[in-house]
Amino acid sequence: QVHLLESGGGVVQPGRSLRLSCAASGLNFSAYGMHWVRQAPGKGLEWVAIISYDGTTKYYVDSVKGRFTVSRDRSKNTLYLQMNSLRAEDTAVYYCAKDHFPWGGGDCLHSWGRGTLVTVSS
Amino acid sequence: EIALTQSPGTLSLSPGERATLSCRASQSLTTNYLAWYQQKPGQAPRLLIYGASSRATGIPDRFSGSGSGTDFTLTISRLEPEDFAVYYCQQYGNSPPYTFGQGTKLEIK
Repeated sequence: QVHLLESGGGVVQPGRSLRLSCAASGLNFSAYGMHWVRQAPGKGLEWVAIISYDGTTKYYVDSVKGRFTVSRDRSKNTLYLQMNSLRAEDTAVYYCAKDHFPWGGGDCLHSWGRGTLVTVSS
Repeated sequence: EIALTQSPGTLSLSPGERATLSCRASQSLTTNYLAWYQQKPGQAPRLLIYGASSRATGIPDRFSGSGSGTDFTLTISRLEPEDFAVYYCQQYGNSPPYTFGQGTKLEIK
């Protein structure tokens, strides 16, 4: 049973930083590309970033390029999202999710965490 | 970047009826890498359909996906009470960003 658990959310002032974590269990973490997806309050889903199964390839949505960095630690089975220069419009629930199939270069999202809320406000 | 437009925004139906949800892409998805997700309030999304027409593990066969190119459809053949939720399509075949549609809310009439 795949289990993804996000943490690290909270209230942060504009311009500050926050690091989200996603602890994975029940899967061969090193075999799957991993994604971050966010959902602003009352809004739809927005894909944010992907990191390949081996960590060598990363992509971001334009609105976070240069501010957010996705990374992974295979020894800890953990995915990260470093968020710098936060803005009010980054306020959202942040979900981590895994690729549907292993060893791929980008895929749909099969298993999701429950999300962690990030609120950017002064 | 590929944009996805879902219609209708809200669909009001009764249990037992058939639901047809549409997702249109701004460019052809040559690989038909189009997924559908269901999201209920306070929950994470759940994958229903991948590759435009393949059901994910454990998804009831009343859910079906079809389409190709730029036009895709999610059909729920006979609505159960637990099917009333928000549905999103997502493209993931072309280069990132792997965009989502804006969602269709399926509500009880």
